[in-house]
Amino acid sequence: EDKVVQSPLSLVVHEGDTVTLNCSYEVTNFRSLLWYKQEKKAPTFLFMLTSSGIEKKSGRLSSILDKKELFSILNITATQTGDSAVYLCAVTTFNKFYFGSGTKLNVKP
Amino acid sequence: DTGVSQNPRHKITKRGQNVTFRCDPISEHNRLYWYRQTLGQGPEFLTYFQNEAQLEKSRLLSDRFSAERPKGSFSTLEIQRTEQGDSAMYLCASSLSGGGGGAYNEQFFGPGTRLTVL
Repeated sequence: EDKVVQSPLSLVVHEGDTVTLNCSYEVTNFRSLLWYKQEKKAPTFLFMLTSSGIEKKSGRLSSILDKKELFSILNITATQTGDSAVYLCAVTTFNKFYFGSGTKLNVKP
Repeated sequence: DTGVSQNPRHKITKRGQNVTFRCDPISEHNRLYWYRQTLGQGPEFLTYFQNEAQLEKSRLLSDRFSAERPKGSFSTLEIQRTEQGDSAMYLCASSLSGGGGGAYNEQFFGPGTRLTVL
């Protein structure tokens, strides 16, 4: 059965800390892995990863994919209170997106 | 606003009633997805259209659920004989077709329709 597992389920840090969020997957016909940020509304896109070992960066956020070990990480450096959200990982196959249950990040001032 | 729109934003209904939701994707997007999300969970895939063709349907989608995209633009999701377990946020997303390598482009999500079944 195809599945996406994220860890930890929740995380509390203080502003300025660095966090690493994990996403592991087991799917057939893997095509890509995507990270989304979800606040009190619909998910917003962060990254799409298709190749192993190539880091994608956007400001304080970065992500990398390991297709051999079937996982990805999302790093957030110098966290801010505005980073508080649920971070979702999704894996695509031919026609489907499989989402993990998310990591709830709470950044305290 | 040229993003994905969904209507209504909230729907409260009594058990046993039928409800219909509408999704208007980004105009040039040929792919449209429906998801259901409950509290503390990620979105669960329900169904997917490429243009007007429904190409994939989750096992989660019982016979009470039906989706259409008659002209390849907007889509509707109907739930018949609603049950309390149908209470959830129903999300619609759209995207362009993937590249030749099979990688899929990002999905843009609508604001969702929150369904409460009493």
